[in-house]
Amino acid sequence: DAKTTQPPSMDCAEGRAANLPCNHSTISGNEYVYWYRQIHSQGPQYIIHGLKNNETNEMASLIITEDRKSSTLILPHATLRDTAVYYCIVSHAGNNRKLIWGLGTSLAVNP
Amino acid sequence: SAVISQKPSRDICQRGTSLTIQCQVDSQVTMMFWYRQQPGQSLTLIATANQGSEATYESGFVIDKFPISRPNLTFSTLTVSNMSPEDSSIYLCSAGQGTNEQFFGPGTRLTVL
Repeated sequence: DAKTTQPPSMDCAEGRAANLPCNHSTISGNEYVYWYRQIHSQGPQYIIHGLKNNETNEMASLIITEDRKSSTLILPHATLRDTAVYYCIVSHAGNNRKLIWGLGTSLAVNP
Repeated sequence: SAVISQKPSRDICQRGTSLTIQCQVDSQVTMMFWYRQQPGQSLTLIATANQGSEATYESGFVIDKFPISRPNLTFSTLTVSNMSPEDSSIYLCSAGQGTNEQFFGPGTRLTVL
């Protein structure tokens, strides 16, 4: 599975958009980009995933560059409850898919 | 979505003993996984729990230390055997189906004295 690179930490003002970048320059054609987050003392929570098209759901938007070597997770209106560690993971599809976790980005949403 | 529960939520154990952690999913799933998360660290995959066959372990993890069972499509157990203080960690179960998202349990916080 391809490796990812994320900034170790970011800050965001409450109510503003949080844009979390991820580099995955060695991603292969059948690998998906997944985003999870982990709020302190809780299990990880799935946010969104995509293959090559941009995706949006009720939590966030995922923008994948045309060459698929990087992506950005956008939280459109960050709240204090969005303070968490955000993990970008690339993984093959299929029933044997496993997730290899990096260090993620620690996002602090400030009032 | 799937709801995952784990038991116990936390435990304090003595060195040399074993602890079995249970993971229950509220629906049938193809994949179940066990992770370890040491304090302040990211998640490390221990093994994939395979229904009806032996688990698939990642490098650095062995069956004698972390035996896993998965008797059906909704339940799995992880045993941490012959524990030492280095096994103090949060143990997490996850489940998923196909290319879709994985859902995680709340974790089991283990402290070994």
